[in-house]
Amino acid sequence: QQQVKQSPQSLIVQKGGISIINCAYENTAFDYFPWYQQFPGKGPALLIAIRPDVSEKKEGRFTISFNKSAKQFSLHIMDSQPGDSATYFCAARRLIQGAQKLVFGQGTRLTINP
Amino acid sequence: DGGITQSPKYLFRKEGQNVTLSCEQNLNHDAMYWYRQDPGQGLRLIYYSQIVNDFQKGDIAEGYSVSREKKESFPLTVTSAQKNPTAFYLCASSKQGASENTEAFFGQGTRLTVV
Repeated sequence: QQQVKQSPQSLIVQKGGISIINCAYENTAFDYFPWYQQFPGKGPALLIAIRPDVSEKKEGRFTISFNKSAKQFSLHIMDSQPGDSATYFCAARRLIQGAQKLVFGQGTRLTINP
Repeated sequence: DGGITQSPKYLFRKEGQNVTLSCEQNLNHDAMYWYRQDPGQGLRLIYYSQIVNDFQKGDIAEGYSVSREKKESFPLTVTSAQKNPTAFYLCASSKQGASENTEAFFGQGTRLTVV
């Protein structure tokens, strides 16, 4: 059962534009929602994260918007740059006796055209 | 530098063979994890360990085995029982607990190919 659904699968944005990636979850036991950025051949790296009691979090050009009632959250990348071209994963965390179980979305391959 | 080291970066296995992927961390994290990544499917949890000499199955543990004899090390064995082992394998670690600084850090991955 896919517990976190991510869209779109791929996205092409012009340099300077806004990139928007959406995720939806089902399990209300999730307590933390990180976004990861992955470059080819590398491991994912944490980009930004949010708790469900916060509606928005901004770090530089990256913003997470969170809608708890709709069980949806999204990543906005402002002034998108070619260096932002990567695969982005949303995730949802559930704690099991202190260990983090992360459930990942399917990923979005983002391409920023110069 | 603190981090997670996975080796080898590339691994080729003949059908019917067991192979072991190495994961070492010097972040002093209690919890360690193994994920499998396939194109278009995100990352899926294979096994995780919260403490030395203890580990739990994740969502896709069949055909895999792990050990946790040291806090720093969490090797993954892909056995011959794993029917489709070709994938990118990622090891991660984290502190225990619910605070925001318990984020998971990932290694650079091992790409396993069955030949």
